[in-house]
Amino acid sequence: NAGVTQTPKFQVLKTGQSMTLQCAQDMNHEYMSWYRQDPGMGLRLIHYSVGAGITDQGEVPNGYNVSRSTTEDFPLRLLSAAPSQTSVYFCASRGQGPYSLHFGNGTRLTVT
Amino acid sequence: DQQVKQNSPSLSVQEGRISILNCDYTNSMFDYFLWYKKYPAEGPTFLISISSIKDKNEDGRFTVFLNKSAKHLSLHIVPSQPGDSAVYFCAARPSGSARQLTFGSGTQLTVLP
Repeated sequence: NAGVTQTPKFQVLKTGQSMTLQCAQDMNHEYMSWYRQDPGMGLRLIHYSVGAGITDQGEVPNGYNVSRSTTEDFPLRLLSAAPSQTSVYFCASRGQGPYSLHFGNGTRLTVT
Repeated sequence: DQQVKQNSPSLSVQEGRISILNCDYTNSMFDYFLWYKKYPAEGPTFLISISSIKDKNEDGRFTVFLNKSAKHLSLHIVPSQPGDSAVYFCAARPSGSARQLTFGSGTQLTVLP
C-alpha cells in the first residue's frame, strides 16, 4: 500500500540548474497538489491538478511548472533553481469523500 | 497576510496532561477545518476535522472545538502521550469551487515523559 511516493528524498542543486521532483500515487485520486514547507510559513500551495490534463496555480507558483499526463503522476519542474526555492516539497492527493489530503514523505531541496 | 495563524510555535506538556493547540483564522468563507500531524522526515497525516456547522468533533483522545464568532479553533489531546510529540498544522478550506486548503505555520508539541 504505497499511497503517495515522492522521489528523490534529498537533492542539492546549484543556482540555475533544472530538475524534476517526481510524485506518484496509486489510489486513483483525481486531485493532486504540490506544497512547499518553510520555517514559520506552514505549507503553501504551489500548483494543483483536478485530473489528467488539468492543472492550475496555487499561492506560490512562480519558478515552477507542472503537467498531468496521467492520473498517477504529477511531476514538479524547477526550470532554473534559485536559493529562494530551498525548501521541503510535499506532494499530496485526495479522492472523493471526506476532504483530507494524503501526503508523500517529502523532498528536501537545497539550492546553493 | 496569513489567513490561518498558529501563534504558538511550540508547546510542552507533561505526559497524561491535556495539550491544547490553538488556531485563528481571518477568512469568514472558510467552512471546513482540519488538523494534521507531522513527524520528522514524514509527510503530514490527517488527524481530525470539523465542519463549520458544528462546534465540536471528538475522536478518541482528540477533540476539536470551533468558535465561529471568534474565528478560533482548538485541538485538545487528553491524555497526552509521548508519541503525540509532533508538529501540528491546522488547515482551512473555503466554501466554493476552489476548495484549496490554507495551512497555518504549525505548532511543535513536545510531550514530556
